[in-house]
Amino acid sequence: QKEVEQNSGPLSVPEGAIASLNCTYSDRGSQSFFWYRQYSGKSPELIMFIYSNGDKEDGRFTAQLNKASQYVSLLIRDSQPSDSATYLCAVNRYSTLTFGKGTMLLVSP
Amino acid sequence: GAVVSQHPSRVICKSGTSVKIECRSLDFQATTMFWYRQFPKQSLMLMATSNEGSKATYEQGVEKDKFLINHASLTLSTLTVTSAHPEDSSFYICSARDLNRNEQFFGPGTRLTVL
Repeated sequence: QKEVEQNSGPLSVPEGAIASLNCTYSDRGSQSFFWYRQYSGKSPELIMFIYSNGDKEDGRFTAQLNKASQYVSLLIRDSQPSDSATYLCAVNRYSTLTFGKGTMLLVSP
Repeated sequence: GAVVSQHPSRVICKSGTSVKIECRSLDFQATTMFWYRQFPKQSLMLMATSNEGSKATYEQGVEKDKFLINHASLTLSTLTVTSAHPEDSSFYICSARDLNRNEQFFGPGTRLTVL
């Protein structure tokens, strides 16, 4: 059974803080993991992806993957009000993406 | 990043009519394109996978005769919602997979409202 779970939120953080977004998945055969950001009324935009266990950093974003625990997370450092959006976790297996319902992040000035 | 366009961005139609949505990869070739539907406050739900030159693969519960998909070239896929009804009102989003990269790039979406 394919399933990707995220806390719907909202997750509220003050500007400048670290936002931590979490995602768990049920399919152990999942091959790669993606984080997308979606603003209201817009389509998702790719933030980053990760294949291997450990951390991957890209600017203010860090993705963390633990395949044994079937857990992937996204850290956003120095959060900005413009980061306020819904963050979608997606899990890839054989080129098919399964999305979680997303976590809404609110960054207050 | 790669650019995917969708047309139209917004469409309002009467119940019973058909609506065609185009999805184009503008600066890369995509053998595979995906069609998603998203209802308010819900996640993206994959409707079908469109492969260039072959029949689309539909997800369980998606009526292939109602949602016609054509992927005639490496840069264009179309979704036609036939005999649309108000319950088909949704945000339809396509994505395209770059041949050379294992990433999907999303189009801007089409908001369909059926009256």
